[in-house]
Amino acid sequence: GENVEQHPSTLSVQEGDSAVIKCTYSDSASNYFPWYKQELGKRPQLIIDIRSNVGEKKDQRIAVTLNKTAKHFSLHITETQPEDSAVYFCAARWVDSSYKLIFGSGTRLLVRP
Amino acid sequence: DGGITQSPKYLFRKEGQNVTLSCEQNLNHDAMYWYRQDPGQGLRLIYYSQIVNDFQKGDIAEGYSVSREKKESFPLTVTSAQKNPTAFYLCASSIDSFQETQYFGPGTRLLVL
Repeated sequence: GENVEQHPSTLSVQEGDSAVIKCTYSDSASNYFPWYKQELGKRPQLIIDIRSNVGEKKDQRIAVTLNKTAKHFSLHITETQPEDSAVYFCAARWVDSSYKLIFGSGTRLLVRP
Repeated sequence: DGGITQSPKYLFRKEGQNVTLSCEQNLNHDAMYWYRQDPGQGLRLIYYSQIVNDFQKGDIAEGYSVSREKKESFPLTVTSAQKNPTAFYLCASSIDSFQETQYFGPGTRLLVL
């Protein structure tokens, strides 16, 4: 069935260290994988996305990698800062008539000063 | 995402009451979506609309209803049949259902009295 699993559920890192969040998806036809950042009580904000025709994408301190064979993708944040603290959600786009996004359950990232 | 607004920010529902959450966008987007977010969980799709005057059930449509009479508006009604309505409700839109990027509104928190 439609499913995106996300790990870990919580992650605590020291400021300046790297953080990695991993997701696996079930639909081998999925072709779009966004990552959203949500601060407490706020709307999710798209921070980076990747399509299935590329294996890696970077934007400053943020990178996403995709392994289509294994059906998993990961978010990498380098040189973490306290303002990176938030809940991060991965998603995969379902390839049927709905083109809907299936979201992971979220990772709460805490960056300790 | 600044082009999507939701109101009210907080909404209180009495038992047996229907309540309507507003979602408006001025981005000229064809596709609109409603998600429910529960604490510690990801976003689950309630309803979506790929074009005006058309909408489809998502994964958790029971107890909810929508309309899409205007391109810029996609209101969600939480009916008395929804027995556990307390949640954070997020509206999103995309250029069309084929364009993957979804932009979220600020959300409405629904509480039961």
